[in-house]
Amino acid sequence: SQQGEEDPQALSIQEGENATMNCSYKTSINNLQWYRQNSGRGLVHLILIRSNEREKHSGRLRVTLDTSKKSSSLLITASRAADTASYFCATRGSGAGSYQLTFGKGTKLSVIP
Amino acid sequence: GAGVSQTPSNKVTEKGKYVELRCDPISGHTALYWYRQSLGQGPEFLIYFQGTGAADDSGLPNDRFFAVRPEGSVSTLKIQRTERGDSAVYLCASSINRGSTEAFFGQGTRLTVV
Repeated sequence: SQQGEEDPQALSIQEGENATMNCSYKTSINNLQWYRQNSGRGLVHLILIRSNEREKHSGRLRVTLDTSKKSSSLLITASRAADTASYFCATRGSGAGSYQLTFGKGTKLSVIP
Repeated sequence: GAGVSQTPSNKVTEKGKYVELRCDPISGHTALYWYRQSLGQGPEFLIYFQGTGAADDSGLPNDRFFAVRPEGSVSTLKIQRTERGDSAVYLCASSINRGSTEAFFGQGTRLTVV
């Protein structure tokens, strides 16, 4: 079963605008990661935030984590047409032996040139 | 190789047939994961290997699904008596070790059962 829920399910913006995607999860985590997927095939790791971190930046990406609300957000600034893809959050649990990632259903982002 | 390699990239099979999906992880990565992704959904965990052993197979949906990694490198996901509901993209990922944070994914095998 999937733990996370991304919000919105689909997002359409103009090139140059910022895109914000949200993720909620249910159980305690060790870390939360965001992945990108083009055309329903391989996933590419974007950024990871640990449970004791609140915010992280990487290039045009900004991730926040609120463990009290069990939620995270991914902000893509100054979007480009090439950012069009599906974005997934994935959590790694904090329990012993929790080595797999649990993914949400994803947000489909369309950036219009 | 430079990345995780999965073969075949596409597989069409008839209901009831047996299929094998192959995953060649990044050299030196001890942890290997299989996920299944249905249309419009996120990947769902199937099984995780640490070295040669299946450390967690709790995601396998039933006993028609089985996976091996005999030499701690290449892994094969085997599906017996395929059903139309098995149609999905099967993704493989590897990481340096089980504590490693980042997983590297292959391009997946799109399985279609007709």
